[in-house]
Amino acid sequence: GENVEQHPSTLSVQEGDSAVIKCTYSDSASNYFPWYKQELGKRPQLIIDIRSNVGEKKDQRIAVTLNKTAKHFSLHITETQPEDSAVYFCAASEASNTGKLIFGQGTTLQVKP
Amino acid sequence: NAGVMQNPRHLVRRRGQEARLRCSPMKGHSHVYWYRQLPEEGLKFMVYLQKENIIDESGMPKERFSAEFPKEGPSILRIQQVVRGDSAAYFCASSPPGSRVGTEAFFGQGTRLTVV
Repeated sequence: GENVEQHPSTLSVQEGDSAVIKCTYSDSASNYFPWYKQELGKRPQLIIDIRSNVGEKKDQRIAVTLNKTAKHFSLHITETQPEDSAVYFCAASEASNTGKLIFGQGTTLQVKP
Repeated sequence: NAGVMQNPRHLVRRRGQEARLRCSPMKGHSHVYWYRQLPEEGLKFMVYLQKENIIDESGMPKERFSAEFPKEGPSILRIQQVVRGDSAAYFCASSPPGSRVGTEAFFGQGTRLTVV
């Protein structure tokens, strides 16, 4: 089945700097890649997603890139703010078409004021 | 739209007791997914259900765990004879009928189970 690896596990940046989180996946048939943000004690919330027919997607300060050949995708956050501090999870949807998500291990992002 | 509702938010059980976690999907959603999150880890898929059907239970432990999504009422994740290792946050997500890969799954607030 699908396996998703995420790194780094922790990331600390100064406010205003950019943050990049990277994920790799194993199943070349996977075709949907969402990113979730989870604040302490709260539910995961979708912040951006990308489908395999697209190489890049941007939403204000957040962008995601996908390299299908290399089987990796990345989250880019620009002009980081303290409220961006949270745990970020990447995920891949198995090609079984059930909507089941396989998650990465998570990245704890700390944005220092 | 009230979103995905899970209850209870916090549940404490003694070893050997049963834990019942409930999930009401978003209005109009008929697909329910359960995920488990151990402390400081990612979410692990457990089971995917549609009304009255278990579609994929490949992530469910072989013993003590069961799930259902009846025609009426919420989806239930049941853990029998709980052990300390079952302590985790259990999240439910739902998506609309006809969902395919690429449909956003909306998560509930989770149930935090503590086994003492």
